[in-house]
Amino acid sequence: DVKVTQSSRYLVKRTGEKVFLECVQDMDHENMFWYRQDPGLGLRLIYFSYDVKMKEKGDIPEGYSVSREKKERFSLILESASTNQTSMYLCASRGSAYEQYFGPGTRLTVT
Amino acid sequence: AQSVTQLDSQVPVFEEAPVELRCNYSSSVSVYLFWYVQYPNQGLQLLLKYLSGSTLVKGINGFEAEFNKSQTSFHLRKPSVHISDTAEYFCAVSALGSGFGNEKLTFGTGTRLTIIP
Repeated sequence: DVKVTQSSRYLVKRTGEKVFLECVQDMDHENMFWYRQDPGLGLRLIYFSYDVKMKEKGDIPEGYSVSREKKERFSLILESASTNQTSMYLCASRGSAYEQYFGPGTRLTVT
Repeated sequence: AQSVTQLDSQVPVFEEAPVELRCNYSSSVSVYLFWYVQYPNQGLQLLLKYLSGSTLVKGINGFEAEFNKSQTSFHLRKPSVHISDTAEYFCAVSALGSGFGNEKLTFGTGTRLTIIP
């Protein structure tokens, strides 16, 4: 069965902290994605990766960076967390039939 | 660039009644279309997808959707809803083409379906 896991379900951080969100998939997919989800805005793409060490900016990359050192793992980094980055973060990987498989999400609160 | 419009942010429906959730898209190229469901405190789960072929696609949990190219729509329907269908539903589009654009999904803002007992 397809599985995408995220390191934390809930996270509380202080303004200015460096935050790491980890995502792991077990399907050997090449493409992985990070989204943030906010009420009334749907899902917005932050970054995606199409191969190890390869990345592309999505629609809202400001304030974020990513790392993909291994095929199964895609990390989202908030270099200096701010309160406007309080959100639900969703990781996904893409299958061969174009559908994306999502993790359970990390609800991040920045205080 | 493509875009997706979900016309209804909230839809209340009585149990066992039919429901239609509307989705319209905009794209200058051919598209793949998807519906996802999100139950409370969970990630998104694929309900169904249209890639090619028959314009009526069937998904999980008794849902179906019809691709209408002339109206650029992909409405989701279910003939009889259950309490367990209470969730948020997202329509998404992926534009076909060269480069990496076709790797990305563009999502609508979601429709919250509430089933009334």
